[in-house]
Amino acid sequence: NAGVTQTPKFRVLKTGQSMTLLCAQDMNHEYMYWYRQDPGMGLRLIHYSVGEGTTAKGEVPDGYNVSRLKKQNFLLGLESAAPSQTSVYFCASSSLAGGPYNEQFFGPGTRLTVL
Amino acid sequence: AQSVTQLGSHVSVSEGALVLLRCNYSSSVPPYLFWYVQYPNQGLQLLLKYTTGATLVKGINGFEAEFKKSETSFHLTKPSAHMSDAAEYFCAVSFSGSARQLTFGSGTQLTVLP
Repeated sequence: NAGVTQTPKFRVLKTGQSMTLLCAQDMNHEYMYWYRQDPGMGLRLIHYSVGEGTTAKGEVPDGYNVSRLKKQNFLLGLESAAPSQTSVYFCASSSLAGGPYNEQFFGPGTRLTVL
Repeated sequence: AQSVTQLGSHVSVSEGALVLLRCNYSSSVPPYLFWYVQYPNQGLQLLLKYTTGATLVKGINGFEAEFKKSETSFHLTKPSAHMSDAAEYFCAVSFSGSARQLTFGSGTQLTVLP
């Protein structure tokens, strides 16, 4: 049981390049989330998904796209990277069962630098 | 809109001393409240959460937090700090019907001095 995994762990991009971050969870969770973490700002929600084939915008969605073609995977794409997207990206998942206070389980993060 | 404020971006305590990390929230509806901890170069993990019922919540590693509705606060405490408690701590809030979205505070970095 690996929990939430993220690929890659580190990446350096040049301005204008594109890339996709992969998040995978093996807990059969319905909800999945992408956050970015910047110093002094905590974690901010980029996009989230409440089930396979559905996605929604979070607090800071501009410049990012997501897809959830399979229940266990949630992809975050940057079409044209900008230096302002330099950050640490975290994926999380949580179960539908129970209530809205269910724990979110986090991956180890991807550190992205855009030059 | 809801928000979370953590007072003190950095807190230092001596080993064995009381740990107090402050969290206040702003909300027009009853919130669910969480504390998460992040150790260096790792993801976040849940310390404790308040849903309903007892306002004093106990979590892992000897931490506890008290929900005070009148003060809109959810401060985190530990009676005696240990070196292994050094980490960044995040307060977060969610609401019923919010698709489990969490709104995080800006975090408090805890340093434990020998």
